Amino acid sequence: AQTVTQSQPEMSVQEAETVTLSCTYDTSESDYYLFWYKQPPSRQMILVIRQEAYKQQNATENRFSVNFQKAAKSFSLKISDSQLGDAAMYFCAYRWLGTGNQFYFGTGTSLTVIP
Amino acid sequence: DTEVTQTPKHLVMGMTNKKSLKCEQHMGHRAMYWYKQKAKKPPELMFVYSYEKLSINESVPSRFSPECPNSSLLNLHLHALQPEDSALYLCASSVRGGTSGSNEQFFGPGTRLTVL
Repeated sequence: AQTVTQSQPEMSVQEAETVTLSCTYDTSESDYYLFWYKQPPSRQMILVIRQEAYKQQNATENRFSVNFQKAAKSFSLKISDSQLGDAAMYFCAYRWLGTGNQFYFGTGTSLTVIP
Repeated sequence: DTEVTQTPKHLVMGMTNKKSLKCEQHMGHRAMYWYKQKAKKPPELMFVYSYEKLSINESVPSRFSPECPNSSLLNLHLHALQPEDSALYLCASSVRGGTSGSNEQFFGPGTRLTVL
């Protein structure tokens, strides 16, 4: 069974500093997608970044980057130059690249940005 | 158009009421989802529709009844709910599994449901 684990329920970072959120997952599949979603308080869930498992290169989106370690089944999110607007719940998610329609979510990390 | 819309934004209902939540997307996605979310918790999957057919029902009580009238619309009919059903109800859509291209879920803003 696919499981996604986020071991940090809460994290905090000073504005302009860098923070890394951890995610590990368990799967027997070789082709899959991994995602980081952001959900600000009382606001919509939006995609931050995606990683295809068959790509060795780590994905980056502006200040957001991932460290994807396929053998270790690890997928961490690095936020550089943190901004107040980065404060949110962050969810790691997994999707099998086959015919599966189901997404598996981690328990989330609540990120606080300190001015 | 990369938007998933949900109506209403807020809903307050009594335990004997019948109401419906509506979700719409025009991205051509053939997989659509209903999730229930409590504060500071991950979305909890309720139902998945694939090509307008119910493909996953996560043992949801029958007081929740999903419907997918066409490829763009998803409804969730509510009847005789309990106070513990109060939550944020999220709709999402994605390309169907096994389809090439962007494979993420697109979420709507949610309906904040309060059951009195």
